[in-house]
Amino acid sequence: SYVLTQPPSVSVAPGQTARIACGGNNIGSRNVHWYQQKPGQAPVLVVYDDSDRPSGIPERFSGSNSGNTATLTITRVEAGDEADYYCQMWDSSSDHRVFGGGTKLTVL
Amino acid sequence: EVQLVESGGGLVQPGRSLRLSCTASGFSFGDHALSWVRRAPGKGLEWVGFIKSNAHGGTTEYAASVKGRFTISRDDSKSIAYLQMNSLKTEDTAVYYCTRDRWKMDVWGQGTTVTVSS
Repeated sequence: SYVLTQPPSVSVAPGQTARIACGGNNIGSRNVHWYQQKPGQAPVLVVYDDSDRPSGIPERFSGSNSGNTATLTITRVEAGDEADYYCQMWDSSSDHRVFGGGTKLTVL
Repeated sequence: EVQLVESGGGLVQPGRSLRLSCTASGFSFGDHALSWVRRAPGKGLEWVGFIKSNAHGGTTEYAASVKGRFTISRDDSKSIAYLQMNSLKTEDTAVYYCTRDRWKMDVWGQGTTVTVSS
């Protein structure tokens, strides 16, 4: 089965840029989606199809995907961005959905 | 407002069964696939399984960890999806979310907690 690999944690100072990686074999050929989950809340879709944003998601959230790595980028990080972030894709060979292990973003 | 509301969680003993419900509103329920996703304490999100729309056969797929024990079904007349969980294990303890599945999961319920313990 397809595996998505994320770093367990990323730390960034307020106002700086956070980059969260999601690694997978030739992931650049797949569509990758990103979710934000804050404690006690349901996940929220923040980027879909590699780089598109749902309505209501700030432009500070963006995504890219190439080769073996997809990346979620958060610019001008705020304290309220502190959360767990997950990448996800559709494994066409099994028709299963796959999540990365998640990355805890800490705002210093 | 597009909304999903889960219900049916609770405390259950290992080996017993539980059925979760997911009630939808604000969109054409029958036109969409639905996935169940869970998050166990101290762990990340885990996809549990999905059911396609009846227009796409209403077929289901499951994660290996629950295949043969869990069953997803839907009643489009009531805009409800179900997750039937049998032979529950302690490792099934988690918050369970239903989601609207368009290969991406763009709508999530608030979750319902299942605790499997003796």
